[in-house]
Amino acid sequence: KAGVTQTPRYLIKTRGQQVTLSCSPISGHRSVSWYQQTPGQGLQFLFEYFSETQRNKGNFPGRFSGRQFSNSRSEMNVSTLELGDSALYLCASSPGTGANNYGYTFGSGTRLTVV
Amino acid sequence: SQQGEEDPQALSIQEGENATMNCSYKTSINNLQWYRQNSGRGLVHLILIRSNEREKHSGRLRVTLDTSKKSSSLLITASRAADTASYFCALDNYGQNFVFGPGTRLSVLP
Repeated sequence: KAGVTQTPRYLIKTRGQQVTLSCSPISGHRSVSWYQQTPGQGLQFLFEYFSETQRNKGNFPGRFSGRQFSNSRSEMNVSTLELGDSALYLCASSPGTGANNYGYTFGSGTRLTVV
Repeated sequence: SQQGEEDPQALSIQEGENATMNCSYKTSINNLQWYRQNSGRGLVHLILIRSNEREKHSGRLRVTLDTSKKSSSLLITASRAADTASYFCALDNYGQNFVFGPGTRLSVLP
């Protein structure tokens, strides 16, 4: 079966712009979580969606937002980009809420560079 | 707040040797999971161990969990060059959040 698909794979944006990243989970998975990975901060949780509802949110400013559609596909948006937003953004899906007892399946990530 | 701490931060071994990495945490967990990440790619789920389990095996992987010491270890036996990657422990805090440790960078030299 198809894995978790993230698009685009690479993205270069200018400070002040906004960006939208997309994630299609494994078929049948209803939970999608987003993580930001940087060399300095490691993997940091952004938010989790389950059945179109945000279930958990990490400690990120309001510039970071997301949503989930009825087909479980998810998007995250970052507005007013800053240089520090440069990172690998990872999407993870799970059959149930969060990674409880299932484990996550991750996509290959979107590498965002802000210049 | 819950954090996972792994050691060592980096590990370099020869092919065929065993690799052991450890994860410690602060508060009680529902389960602990180990993931592998090849350079710049997504993470791959390796193994999940529940709080009432002490040891699990999967192929060349052996994971132990000591809830009294709040620690876990991942052992990779007979390592191969393809095992070169970063390894992360992740802590499930009963659905409240899911926290990754900083990772151990493993290099397996041919």
